Order: sequence, then C-alpha cells, then structure tokens
Amino acid sequence: GDSVTQMEGPVTLSEEAFLTINCTYTATGYPSLFWYVQYPGEGLQLLLKATKADDKGSNKGFEATYRKETTSFHLEKGSVQVSDSAVYFCATRQGAQKLVFGQGTRLTINP
Amino acid sequence: ETGVTQSPTHLIKTRGQQVTLRCSSQSGHNTVSWYQQALGQGPQFIFQYYREEENGRGNFPPRFSGLQFPNYSSELNVNALELDDSALYLCASSPSWEGKNTEAFFGQGTRLTVV
Repeated sequence: GDSVTQMEGPVTLSEEAFLTINCTYTATGYPSLFWYVQYPGEGLQLLLKATKADDKGSNKGFEATYRKETTSFHLEKGSVQVSDSAVYFCATRQGAQKLVFGQGTRLTINP
Repeated sequence: ETGVTQSPTHLIKTRGQQVTLRCSSQSGHNTVSWYQQALGQGPQFIFQYYREEENGRGNFPPRFSGLQFPNYSSELNVNALELDDSALYLCASSPSWEGKNTEAFFGQGTRLTVV
C-alpha cells in the first residue's frame, strides 16, 4: 500500500533560520499530497497541498513542490518564527479515501 | 460555520470496557473518517463513512465499529478495550465530491487512556 516517510525529528532551529522537512512517498497511482500541522493539544490543520506533478503548494510562508520524479514533497520556509513550533505531518491521498500519514516531525523554534 | 467537534476531550477507561466517542461534522460535509494517533506517531486510518455507510476500513479489528447518522454526525465504538488502544482519536469530515483533492477538516480529538 501507499506509504510516507518523513525526516526524523525533533528539529530545533533558531528564529529566522531556513527550514526544510523532507518527505518522500510511495504510491501506485498519482496521489494528492498534503502537509498538516498539529499544535500542542489540538487536532490537525491543513497547511498546504498539491494535486499533480510540479504543483507548488504554499501558505503562511511555507512551500512544497510535488516532485513525481523523486516522489518527494519537501516542506520549506525561508525564515521560521517561534509560532511555527509544532508537529508537521506529510500525507498522501488517492481517490476519496483515506489519508496516509508520515510519522510526523516535531519542530521547535528558539527565540 | 461550525467546525468539526468531538466529545469528550479526555476519557479514562479500564481494560475490557467499552467506549463511545462522538463527532459532529462540519456543516455541508457528508463524509466522516476516524483516525487513531498513538503517542509520537502519525494518525492511522480506522474507517470512513459516507451517507451512513462504511466505505473504507483500515487495518483495525472488528471490535472497532462505527455509525454515521442522518445529520452526518458519527460515533466510534471500541469494545473490549486493550492498553494499546490508548491514543488520540481524531475525526475528520470532508465534502466527498472533490475526490483525492478533498481537504479533510479535523476535530481537536479525544484523548483515550486505557488503564
């Protein structure tokens, strides 16, 4: 079945640093790709998505590009803030069925 | 527009007991999915309901069961609780007509502890 592998955490950065969280996937078809964020004590919120190859999803300064040739969807942000501290999940979805999540990457931003 | 709400937020049960978790879907959404998130892990798909019928199930035993009601709210029932059932249970609703591009809207979850 489909699977998602994320960069292991935790990741600790200083404010204004550049962020990359790696995500690769395996899928039999052409899934949509998502990044979700989970703040402490809360459920998941959609951060961004891309639905086909070479699409770039972006939101709140975060970006990720759907790379079919490398089956990757790495999350990037040019300058992180303390408020970006959270757990980030990469996920795939085929059809109208389930989301398949990676194990999550905990990000801590120090002032 | 109200979002996805789950109840209760926290629950403690004893091994062997049964539990029912509840979810109210976002207005206009006819599809509800349930996920189990163990500590430090990503959410794992339990099952999905569309218009009161189960239309997808993950690798969970039959003691995990569910219902969806005419107003599209949903319940997750777990019988014969085991210690490993301790987790955050997440409900997500979505409109079904966008297929794989559909955004799923998650509730805040129910934290179940089995002792």
